[in-house]
Amino acid sequence: QVQLQESGPGLVKPSETLSLMCSVSGDSIISTYWSWIRQPPGKGLEWIGYFHYTGSSNYSPSLNSRVSMSMDTSKNQFTLNLKSVTAADTAVYYCVRHGPRPGSGSPGERWGPGGRVIVSS
Amino acid sequence: SYVLTQPPSVSVAPLKTARITCGGNHIESMSVHWYRQKTGQAPVLVVYDDSDRPLGIPERFSGSNSGNMATLTISRVEVGDEADYYCQVWDSSRDLWVFGGGTKLTVL
Repeated sequence: QVQLQESGPGLVKPSETLSLMCSVSGDSIISTYWSWIRQPPGKGLEWIGYFHYTGSSNYSPSLNSRVSMSMDTSKNQFTLNLKSVTAADTAVYYCVRHGPRPGSGSPGERWGPGGRVIVSS
Repeated sequence: SYVLTQPPSVSVAPLKTARITCGGNHIESMSVHWYRQKTGQAPVLVVYDDSDRPLGIPERFSGSNSGNMATLTISRVEVGDEADYYCQVWDSSRDLWVFGGGTKLTVL
């Protein structure tokens, strides 16, 4: 069974870069697309962007200037970087596997448990 | 940008039928997906491509999509169905995901 696990600092200072890693087991990260989604406290879900091992990616227009994603296929991991963070970036961040059909438009078939990030000095 | 509109809350008695709507301009031309998020947990896909169910999701969960409205229907509602439900589509023109604001389902 596919499992995803987010990891990274739970506390980031304002203006610094938030970096989160998603470790995947039970599947290869080259098999499909992967997205990051976040949820601020008490609010709804916000799509951040997706990444594919071919290098294909797309990010939310509202975050595009601050977001980057990458993959390490040898470790079956992919990474989110969000620079110049503010308190508004405080959220639970989820990594998500696209499926069950192929393509960037396929839904979020499997989610990690989420990684909580607080932006504060 | 494409907008999905959900009612903030829906209440239903046990064993009754709950219907959660998701409105969007010509949403019938899109594939709509639905997620259930229980308190403190990650979302779980319960319906995809308007009306398909992932493995392990009970038949009580069904979906439809017509005109400007998609609907998630939960039959014979159980206390364990209490959760936030989100609809989601893929905006193919910009290749990005769009979520509705979420609906809190309360089982009376």
